Amino acid sequence: AQSVAQPEDQVNVAEGNPLTVKCTYSVSGNPYLFWYVQYPNRGLQFLLKYITGDNLVKGSYGFEAEFNKSQTSFHLKKPSALVSDSALYFCAVSLHSGNTPLVFGKGTRLSVIA
Amino acid sequence: DARVTQTPRHKVTEMGQEVTMRCQPILGHNTVFWYRQTMMQGLELLAYFRNRAPLDDSGMPKDRFSAEMPDATLATLKIQPSEPRDSAVYFCASEGTGGGEAFFGQGTRLTVV
Repeated sequence: AQSVAQPEDQVNVAEGNPLTVKCTYSVSGNPYLFWYVQYPNRGLQFLLKYITGDNLVKGSYGFEAEFNKSQTSFHLKKPSALVSDSALYFCAVSLHSGNTPLVFGKGTRLSVIA
Repeated sequence: DARVTQTPRHKVTEMGQEVTMRCQPILGHNTVFWYRQTMMQGLELLAYFRNRAPLDDSGMPKDRFSAEMPDATLATLKIQPSEPRDSAVYFCASEGTGGGEAFFGQGTRLTVV
C-alpha cells in the first residue's frame, strides 16, 4: 500500500526567507511523486512532479522539490518565500506516472509572514 | 482556458435528502476522479473512471453513494440518502491520455444538516 506523511501541520516562514515543506513516502515499487497547492475555497493546483531522472525537480511559481530515494523523501522548497505562497500544500504518490489515483498526505499549511 | 467545472459550488441539504453533484471534465480528458476532502481524513479517493468505465469505487459507501459517467462530458456523484457525516468538499479531477497531471475542479462544499 502507498502512503504519504507530511510531518508538519503548519510551517511559518518570514517573507524572503527560504522555505521547506517536508514529505516522506512509502510505496512498493518505483514512486511517482507530486506536489499540489490549494488556496482558500479553490481546488488543488499542480506544482510539480517526479517521474524519473534528475532528483531535483523544478515546478511552477519558483518551487522545486528534491527526490531522495534513500530517505524516501520529496521535500518541497523555494529559495525566497512570498506572502502569496501562503496556502495548503499536499504531497501525493502514485504507482504509475499518470491516469491513476493519487494518495495524498494530510497537507501542510504554509504561512508566509511579511 | 480549459478547466474542470463542478456544480453546484455549495449545497446545504437536510439529512435523508438526495444530493447530486456534477462534473464536466476538460474536453478530451479520458480519466475522471472523485475525491472527498474533510478535516479529519484529508483527501480520499471515492471513485475513478477511464474512458467512462468505472475502474475503482472501493472508496465509496456502496449503500448510499453512486458515481456514473453518462457521457464523456459529464460525471455525476450521487448520495441517497445523505447523512451529516457526508458533509465535506467533493472534488472532481480529470487527466488526459498523456497523463502526469490531474486538473481539479473548485469543488462542491456539501453540508448535510
